[in-house]
Amino acid sequence: EAQVTQNPRYLITVTGKKLTVTCSQNMNHEYMSWYRQDPGLGLRQIYYSMNVEVTDKGDVPEGYKVSRKEKRNFPLILESPSPNQTSLYFCASSFAGGPREAFFGQGTRLTVV
Amino acid sequence: GQQLNQSPQSMFIQEGEDVSMNCTSSSIFNTWLWYKQDPGEGPVLLIALYKAGELTSNGRLTAQFGITRKDSFLNISASIPSDVGIYFCAGHSGAGSYQLTFGKGTKLSVIP
Repeated sequence: EAQVTQNPRYLITVTGKKLTVTCSQNMNHEYMSWYRQDPGLGLRQIYYSMNVEVTDKGDVPEGYKVSRKEKRNFPLILESPSPNQTSLYFCASSFAGGPREAFFGQGTRLTVV
Repeated sequence: GQQLNQSPQSMFIQEGEDVSMNCTSSSIFNTWLWYKQDPGEGPVLLIALYKAGELTSNGRLTAQFGITRKDSFLNISASIPSDVGIYFCAGHSGAGSYQLTFGKGTKLSVIP
């Protein structure tokens, strides 16, 4: 089954404790991206990757890091999480050429206390 | 980043009624996408539009790519309870752009 898989689905952590949210897709997609979703603000892009070893900032990259060492995986790293990073996070992937027809993961609800 | 203007923000309708929602932008897009998000899930693509003036259907859903390329519309006919959710529009400006611009969503509630 074609899918984008995120882990964990839910995470509660403390301020400053480094964490990684994993994302994996099985569709051989070249393009992957991370979004955060907040009430009243909709979906905002954090980072995206056009291919292996090629990443770039989205609209809200501060406080986040990403890496793309393999085509299927695109982890999101929070080196020192803060409460304002409490949000619902989505990973998405799509075929080459950009984010058209993006497939989304099920989301990771992160709470930073 | 730019946001699309999506309206209405929320709707309460009776089961069986038709629904219309739209998105407008100050910029031209080459692709319009409509997604639905169920509670606790990620957005799922409903319809993709690639050409100005295009009208595309997916079951009871019909979407149109505006002639000006600055707007798009989604209609749902004969709504049913499982239509409940948040509907998002998204625009892509074309080759060389690696970002989607999303609307803030229309929350649809269907009263049985």
